[in-house]
Amino acid sequence: KQEVTQIPAALSVPEGENLVLNCSFTDSAIYNLQWFRQDPGKGLTSLLLIQSSQREQTSGRLNASLDKSSGRSTLYIAASQPGDSATYLCAAAPLSGGYNKLIFGAGTRLAVHP
Amino acid sequence: GAGVSQSPSNKVTEKGKDVELRCDPISGHTALYWYRQSLGQGLEFLIYFQGNSAPDKSGLPSDRFSAERTGGSVSTLTIQRTQQEDSAVYLCASSPGGRTDTQYFGPGTRLTVL
Repeated sequence: KQEVTQIPAALSVPEGENLVLNCSFTDSAIYNLQWFRQDPGKGLTSLLLIQSSQREQTSGRLNASLDKSSGRSTLYIAASQPGDSATYLCAAAPLSGGYNKLIFGAGTRLAVHP
Repeated sequence: GAGVSQSPSNKVTEKGKDVELRCDPISGHTALYWYRQSLGQGLEFLIYFQGNSAPDKSGLPSDRFSAERTGGSVSTLTIQRTQQEDSAVYLCASSPGGRTDTQYFGPGTRLTVL
């Protein structure tokens, strides 16, 4: 059974810092891995989707990497801003089934203070 | 264009009552997913629709939970004889249907069972 773990559970940093959020998964048989952002009281917003054949994806100040063999993904946020404050969730889509049934981690709650 | 919408945004009900939660996916999206986000459990998959059929109902926690989708569009999640442990935020997501496609989430319905 796939399990997804995120470390740290919470993080508080001053504005401008570069930071790394970690995600690990127990079953390497994944089709893709996705990072989402969730703001309080809101739904999820997709940030990056990495196919299993890819090593990384970049969007603006965000970079996500994937190492299937070690069961790890990291989300790198460069030059953090207060507007980045949110909960960040990673989710793995199992290889089997032919659809993206996502298994989520518990999230990292990020606070960026001015 | 319009995103995924869900109604109601909040629902308070008494234990034992039935509730219906509605999801309007993005037009043209064939895949639809329901997830539940609760304090103790994080974000859990409930059910997946492709068109009007539900090939995977494995996440529905009990036979009090059911869902349907009509016209390949609107979906309704029904919870019968609600219990306090059903209190959670119920999130709906849709995608065009391919495995490379990201999921677009609605804002969720917050269900409180008194």
